[in-house]
Amino acid sequence: AQSVTQLDSQVPVFEEAPVELRCNYSSSVSVYLFWYVQYPNQGLQLLLKYLSGSTLVKGINGFEAEFNKSQTSFHLRKPSVHISDTAEYFCAVSDPGSSASKIIFGSGTRLSIRP
Amino acid sequence: GAVVSQHPSWVICKSGTSVKIECRSLDFQATTMFWYRQFPKQSLMLMATSNEGSKATYEQGVEKDKFLINHASLTLSTLTVTSAHPEDSSFYICSAGTGVNEQYFGPGTRLTVT
Repeated sequence: AQSVTQLDSQVPVFEEAPVELRCNYSSSVSVYLFWYVQYPNQGLQLLLKYLSGSTLVKGINGFEAEFNKSQTSFHLRKPSVHISDTAEYFCAVSDPGSSASKIIFGSGTRLSIRP
Repeated sequence: GAVVSQHPSWVICKSGTSVKIECRSLDFQATTMFWYRQFPKQSLMLMATSNEGSKATYEQGVEKDKFLINHASLTLSTLTVTSAHPEDSSFYICSAGTGVNEQYFGPGTRLTVT
């Protein structure tokens, strides 16, 4: 079965500093990987996704993530964060071979930006 | 494009009553819709997957008689929480899929059972 581990439940960062949110997945087959952002009392917004091809994926709001198959990781990075990036971030995985498109979410990382 | 709406966004009901939550894909037809629940400061837990015109597939541990899902059309799915109790209070989020691994999420519905 697939699973996702987000190693940090909270990450405090100063404004304009770089940030990395860690994500590791467990799967015996190939995977699709996603990062979503959730602002308070809102639904989820897709930041970026890896389906195939280049292992470096660029998303919205200046975020990017790198798929590392050997380390089974998909860490999210941003070179300079803003106050508006304060939110909950979820890493997620799905099985390309599944017609149900079921997505499994990690436990989330709360990113808090300090001025 | 790819907008998903939920109604209501917030609902309070008394214990023992039933509540219906609607999920609509506004500008596309969704072959599959998903229902999640999210407790405070926790992740999303998939409750069930529904395809238009067929019965929903529930995840292990989710009571299908308590959480009734109807997917009557390619743009509408409903979740009815029957005989709600305070422990059912949660944030319910739906998503709609257009194909393999494409899901668009609704804004969520906060249910409070008193």
